[in-house]
Amino acid sequence: DTEVTQTPKHLVMGMTNKKSLKCEQHMGHRAMYWYKQKAKKPPELMFVYSYEKLSINESVPSRFSPECPNSSLLNLHLHALQPEDSALYLCASSQVRLAGGEYNEQFFGPGTRLTVL
Amino acid sequence: LAKTTQPISMDSYEGQEVNITCSHNNIATNDYITWYQQFPSQGPRFIIQGYKTKVTNEVASLFIPADRKSSTLSLPRVSLSDTAVYYCLVGDIRYNTNAGKSTFGDGTTLTVKP
Repeated sequence: DTEVTQTPKHLVMGMTNKKSLKCEQHMGHRAMYWYKQKAKKPPELMFVYSYEKLSINESVPSRFSPECPNSSLLNLHLHALQPEDSALYLCASSQVRLAGGEYNEQFFGPGTRLTVL
Repeated sequence: LAKTTQPISMDSYEGQEVNITCSHNNIATNDYITWYQQFPSQGPRFIIQGYKTKVTNEVASLFIPADRKSSTLSLPRVSLSDTAVYYCLVGDIRYNTNAGKSTFGDGTTLTVKP
C-alpha cells in the first residue's frame, strides 16, 4: 500500500469554527509532513514530524495545531482561521533515513481543499 | 537552502521529447536534486532523483553536469497526460529533517498539445 489518504476532501468553515484535517499512511514511514498550497503556487512546508515528534515548524500561526497521535496518523487542528488560509492542504510521508541507494521520496496525499468564509 | 529557477511554462506536442532545465547555482555538497509532477487538485508525485551525472528510470531521465549548478529533466515522447506542473527541488535528503527543508521552486507548467 503506497497510498496516503486525507479526509475530508473538501471543507468549508467559518472563522469561528474548530475543525480538523486527518492524514493516514500505512507504509511504515516515520516522517510525516503538512504543506499548504495556494492556487498556482508551489506547496509550502508547514510542519514535519519525525518519529511522532515535531521536528520542523516553519513559523506557522498558532491557529494551526498539528498532532501526530501514532506512526500512521497525522492531524491538523484548525481554529479561528482567516479567509487567507483558504488553500489546498497536503499531507506527505517518507522514510526518516535512507538505508543507502534508496530515494527519499515523499508520498503525497490528494489534499483537503479548505475554504474559510 | 539552494534556490532553484525554472521556466514558468513550456509547450510541446505529443510524441516529442521535452527537456526542462532547473538552475541551482548555490547547491551544497550534500544536496540532491529531486523532481516532482503535479496535476491540478492532486498532490505532487515523485518522478526522479539524482546527485550527479545521469539517472534514468521508466518515466524520465535526469542529467546533472559536473558542476551540479543546473539539472535537466528529460521526458521522452510526451503525451497529453503529461500536461502538469513540474517542480525541481534541491536539498539534503539523507535525513527527513533536511528532506523537509527541500523547498519547492515555482515549478514549470508543461502543456502538451495534440
